[in-house]
Amino acid sequence: DTGVSQDPRHKITKRGQNVTFRCDPISEHNRLYWYRQTLGQGPEFLTYFQNEAQLEKSRLLSDRFSAERPKGSFSTLEIQRTEQGDSAMYLCASSTRLYNEQFFGPGTRLTVL
Amino acid sequence: GQSLEQPSEVTAVEGAIVQINCTYQTSGFYGLSWYQQHDGGAPTFLSYNALDGLEETGRFSSFLSRSDSYGYLLLQELQMKDSASYFCGGGYNKLIFGAGTRLAVHP
Repeated sequence: DTGVSQDPRHKITKRGQNVTFRCDPISEHNRLYWYRQTLGQGPEFLTYFQNEAQLEKSRLLSDRFSAERPKGSFSTLEIQRTEQGDSAMYLCASSTRLYNEQFFGPGTRLTVL
Repeated sequence: GQSLEQPSEVTAVEGAIVQINCTYQTSGFYGLSWYQQHDGGAPTFLSYNALDGLEETGRFSSFLSRSDSYGYLLLQELQMKDSASYFCGGGYNKLIFGAGTRLAVHP
């Protein structure tokens, strides 16, 4: 499968714990995006990378969230001190420089108890 | 600021034509994209309008009027499998999405 993959697909954690998600983009894509989606809403932009550089981060994003893409390939999204409000589907997408056509992964569903 | 508005729900019957509208207020706006998402699935790209006018891709067409900050997705010959949520998105170097329109296609 040469699409975008995400791991894990589901994560249940207790409030206050740290979690880390991984995204593997399509290999020839230099852009990688993270989104958060809650039920009945559209994907909410969190941050994006071009190669290994994080070029934009949503102003609404808490300091508890951090993302990396160390070698310009896979990316990780870490949430520290999780809160119940962090429960959502976390989507990763990748693209060429044509950012309007993004390819999404299956997402990681986070449940914070 | 950046925001996009769409109707929350649309209902139609098989074989019919449905239009999903999207109005937007964005700064640094470059075109309008449309994505489809089935329940439990990931969003998938449908179309992109960089310029004014109509783009046709099979049963789906998308329209953009930049002067009116308005676009729409037109779905023809509706099939049951078209039941899904549809999102318009725009922005610069990233996409800001609307809340989505849930389309229900009935026999």
